[in-house]
Amino acid sequence: NAGVTQTPKFQVLKTGQSMTLQCAQDMNHNSMYWYRQDPGMGLRLIYYSASEGTTDKGEVPNGYNVSRLNKREFSLRLESAAPSQTSVYFCASSGTAGLSENYGYTFGSGTRLTVV
Amino acid sequence: EDKVVQSPLSLVVHEGDTVTLNCSYEVTNFRSLLWYKQEKKAPTFLFMLTSSGIEKKSGRLSSILDKKELSSILNITATQTGDSAIYLCAVAPGNTPLVFGKGTRLSVIA
Repeated sequence: NAGVTQTPKFQVLKTGQSMTLQCAQDMNHNSMYWYRQDPGMGLRLIYYSASEGTTDKGEVPNGYNVSRLNKREFSLRLESAAPSQTSVYFCASSGTAGLSENYGYTFGSGTRLTVV
Repeated sequence: EDKVVQSPLSLVVHEGDTVTLNCSYEVTNFRSLLWYKQEKKAPTFLFMLTSSGIEKKSGRLSSILDKKELSSILNITATQTGDSAIYLCAVAPGNTPLVFGKGTRLSVIA
């Protein structure tokens, strides 16, 4: 019963390096999301995909790109990492965009990213 | 702009105390309000409140939605150290993604 799986769990990057955060869900959910969480800031939406083949910007999209590879997978790419992107990143999924009938979102366990 | 505001931002209580966490919101096309508990890792779902279900209870936790005041409270009675966590409030505005508040960090000391 995996739910939402994120990789890697931890990563340290140097300024200017690139990397991709991977996310996969096995619940046949239509919608997937990427959030970042900084101390005292709650969860802020980076990008989301309401359904396979669509992606939309969230509150803080600058410096990121996403790919909805198929229904299961939604990746987040940092093309040129900056120290301001040091954060904990969460992937989530839900049955439909905005809301599941039952319980909102299912979250992955997070990726702790440090950019030095 | 959709907004969710939680208060207090942090709270320290002793085991056995009762606590009330607050959440207020301003969103277009309100559909529901959700509460999550976040310990060391991912947020886990607690409650969903809608126009047709404005009060939920599970054990020592309960929550009420006040649609007139655009707010919700989360009550925890007889707190335990295991209740220590960040409690997140989120609102679903129409068919767009959840909007989260900044969270309330609750610390329960023995």
